[in-house]
Amino acid sequence: DVKVTQSSRYLVKRTGEKVFLECVQDMDHENMFWYRQDPGLGLRLIYFSYDVKMKEKGDIPEGYSVSREKKERFSLILESASTNQTSMYLCASSYRDLGGELFFGEGSRLTVL
Amino acid sequence: AQTVTQSQPEMSVQEAETVTLSCTYDTSESDYYLFWYKQPPSRQMILVIRQEAYKQQNATENRFSVNFQKAAKSFSLKISDSQLGDAAMYFCAYRLRGGADGLTFGKGTHLIIQP
Repeated sequence: DVKVTQSSRYLVKRTGEKVFLECVQDMDHENMFWYRQDPGLGLRLIYFSYDVKMKEKGDIPEGYSVSREKKERFSLILESASTNQTSMYLCASSYRDLGGELFFGEGSRLTVL
Repeated sequence: AQTVTQSQPEMSVQEAETVTLSCTYDTSESDYYLFWYKQPPSRQMILVIRQEAYKQQNATENRFSVNFQKAAKSFSLKISDSQLGDAAMYFCAYRLRGGADGLTFGKGTHLIIQP
């Protein structure tokens, strides 16, 4: 089975702190994604990567950056956390084009105080 | 840009009955995928069913089936013989074939199963 693992299920941070959310997949997927999930807004794409060291902005990249140094790992970085970044963050991965399906991690619920 | 609309924020169904969740989408492309994902409370998002746009036949997975109307850009999910374990958020999603930028999701429908 495909496994997408997010490093932290729950985090509490203070305003202004730097936050790292880590995601690792074990299926040699080319594509990796970070989504943000908020009630009533669904899932919104923050950043995605289609190859090592490659990254593309999604729909809501402001306030976030990403890093993909190895194929299996995709990190989301909040340089200076703000309260409006309190949310559920979902990592996903997929093959470049084999059925189109995304495989999701369990999510990281971030609270910024 | 593609958009996906789920017009039902919440639906309720009696156990063992059938429920249909609605989804419409907007795209100018002809070759794409459509998905229904399920997210149980505090649990992982999982794929329920997938439809390829060039296939006319509606996809079916056990108690789950879709009604795909390409011209109308409609993609509804039917759940037959509803079970308590079907209670979850359901998201409709679109992805362009060959696209690297992931899925575009609707805002979700919260499905409640009444025992």
